[in-house]
Amino acid sequence: DAGVTQSPTHLIKTRGQQVTLRCSPKSGHDTVSWYQQALGQGPQFIFQYYEEEERQRGNFPDRFSGHQFPNYSSELNVNALLLGDSALYLCASSFPGLNTEAFFGQGTRLTVV
Amino acid sequence: AQSVTQLGSHVSVSEGALVLLRCNYSSSVPPYLFWYVQYPNQGLQLLLKYTTGATLVKGINGFEAEFKKSETSFHLTKPSAHMSDAAEYFCAVSHSGGSNYKLTFGKGTLLTVNP
Repeated sequence: DAGVTQSPTHLIKTRGQQVTLRCSPKSGHDTVSWYQQALGQGPQFIFQYYEEEERQRGNFPDRFSGHQFPNYSSELNVNALLLGDSALYLCASSFPGLNTEAFFGQGTRLTVV
Repeated sequence: AQSVTQLGSHVSVSEGALVLLRCNYSSSVPPYLFWYVQYPNQGLQLLLKYTTGATLVKGINGFEAEFKKSETSFHLTKPSAHMSDAAEYFCAVSHSGGSNYKLTFGKGTLLTVNP
């Protein structure tokens, strides 16, 4: 079992550009959540996808959008990048229940210059 | 609304000493509580979780935590620290009410283990 896989592992972008991050969930999981972890901070919830729909969204602007595909993989898109978007972006997969364990990927380190 | 406060951004212990990492939560409904560990350049790994039932929860790698409703706390302990325990630890809260599916994390506590 490969667990949760994210790509790419590292990425450098310029202010104003757009970026797409990808996540493949753990085998059997159909729910994907995205978190942003700024340096020295805990992860902050961006949104969660289930059955290809955004089920819940955190306090992030509309520049952050996502998608879930029929095979449950997911993408996180960020438009008009700001320096403050530099962070580790974590994907977590789980079953759809409220207290099931979320398995995290190793993350994508995004640097905006 | 729910929130988590981790007291102490950095805790340093000697190898073999007791590890105590503090977590207090705020939640308007009965909480689900979690401790995650993050090693350098890696994602988060679940150590243990409390949902309902027994308030003393045992996790992996010898860690345990006790849910104390009266103190709104969920402190993480380990009787004897190993060098391999050096990592960042995050407390998180969720709850069973409504349509809440997110984990709310504290800012983390960096654990250093000295030989």
